[in-house]
Amino acid sequence: QLQLQESGSGLVKPSQTLSLTCAVSGGSMRSDGYTWNWIRQPPGKGLEWIGHIDQSGSTQYNPSLKSRLTVSVDRSKNQFSLKLTSVTAADTAVYYCAGCFGVVTFCDSWGQGTLVAVSS
Amino acid sequence: DIQMTQSPSSLSASVGDRVTITCRASQSISSYVNWYQQKPGKAPKLLIYAASILQSGVPSRFSGSGSGTDFTLTISSLQVEDFVTYYCQQSYSTPLTFGGGTKVEIK
Repeated sequence: QLQLQESGSGLVKPSQTLSLTCAVSGGSMRSDGYTWNWIRQPPGKGLEWIGHIDQSGSTQYNPSLKSRLTVSVDRSKNQFSLKLTSVTAADTAVYYCAGCFGVVTFCDSWGQGTLVAVSS
Repeated sequence: DIQMTQSPSSLSASVGDRVTITCRASQSISSYVNWYQQKPGKAPKLLIYAASILQSGVPSRFSGSGSGTDFTLTISSLQVEDFVTYYCQQSYSTPLTFGGGTKVEIK
C-alpha cells in the first residue's frame, strides 16, 4: 500500500510561486501503470485535477493551469513536486497528491492534503 | 473538457435507506468512471472504479453501474458512517474531471 505525504509552504503571497512536494513510500514511483497526480479542493468546494507525471517523466496538465504549472519528479528521493507560478486568491485550496493507476486511472492512494492560502 | 453533472447535490436519508447518486457525462465515456467518498477534513477514498468494480476493502453495500453517459452509485443500506460527501470522476480523457459532489445528510 502506497503512502503519500505532501509538504511545502502553507502561505504564499499573491503573484509568487506555490511549491509543494509529495513523498511516496511503501513502493517505488517506477511502479508499472501509476501516474503521480496533483488535485486541489478550494475550501467548501469540489475537486479539481491539476496534472500528473508518469513513470517515463511525461506530464499532462489541466489546460486551465498549464501556463503556470510545472510537475516534476525526483526518483532518487521517491518524490514528485508541483510549482504553480503567479498565484492569486483563487489558488487557495487544499492540495492533494495522489497515485492513480491504470488505463481507467483510478486514484487509490492519496496524501492527507495540505492547505495553501494565498494572501498578502 | 468532459463535464460530469452529478445529482442531487445533497440528499437527506435515514439509516437503513437505499440511496442512489447519479452522474451524467457530457459525452460518451464508456465505463471510465470512478466514485470516491470524502469525509470532512480527509482525502477522498476510492469506492468504485471502472463504473462497477468495488475497490478492495469497501463494503458490499456500495455498488456502481452504468456506461456511456449515465452512471449511478448506490448505497443499499445507509450506515451512520456513510453520511458524508461522494464524488464521481471521469478518466476517459484528460483533464480528469469530477462531479460537483453529493452530500448525504441524516434526515
